[in-house]
Amino acid sequence: EVQLVESGGGLVQPGGSLRLACAASGFRFRDSWMSWVRQAPGRGLEWVANIKQSGTDEEYVDSVRGRFTISRDDAKNSLFLEMHSLRVEDSAVYFCARDDVDETFGFDIWGQGTVVTVSS
Amino acid sequence: DIQMTQSPSSLSASVGDRVTISCRAGQSISTYLSWYQQKPGKAPKLLIYAASSLQAGVPSRFSGSGSGTEFSLTISSLQPEDSATYYCQQSYTGPWTFGQGTKVEIK
Repeated sequence: EVQLVESGGGLVQPGGSLRLACAASGFRFRDSWMSWVRQAPGRGLEWVANIKQSGTDEEYVDSVRGRFTISRDDAKNSLFLEMHSLRVEDSAVYFCARDDVDETFGFDIWGQGTVVTVSS
Repeated sequence: DIQMTQSPSSLSASVGDRVTISCRAGQSISTYLSWYQQKPGKAPKLLIYAASSLQAGVPSRFSGSGSGTEFSLTISSLQPEDSATYYCQQSYTGPWTFGQGTKVEIK
């Protein structure tokens, strides 16, 4: 079964750090670009970051560049998002998704999301 | 960054109605345009890719059209299970960007 399962969300104070993880199964993870997409409460979708195959290149939205780091462990079929200097406005559901740059050029596989709340 | 603008922000229609949602890109994106359906508390689901290609398993009442800067998603005969928020997204150049969403409700 094709699946992405996120973990690591929680409540953190402003200025704090959190590490999200995403476990992949059922598809060729090592050959896939992967992304993190977030959705603030009651708001729309926002792409956050992506990473190419083998971790050769990463891209970030301006609002998180320098604070967030995306990484992957192909041996464990896992994607990560290291988040530092968290702000209240980073509160959101964080989804991992496959960035299908081979065929659809869309996000064709999604996880169920993990909730990050930044609050004092 | 390429801004994506959807219209309307919300609509209400009856079962069986034909519904069209528009998406405008801030610059030409060729056909690098996807459409997603999201139901409350769920992850988005890819419906349409490359502006007009139907993702596997998606009902044929969904269709997409357009190129350049103007795109549309059409539901030919609205069904109760189509109540959701729909998003367009460009993958022409980074950062990937989404429209603000269109909420579709059933009368």
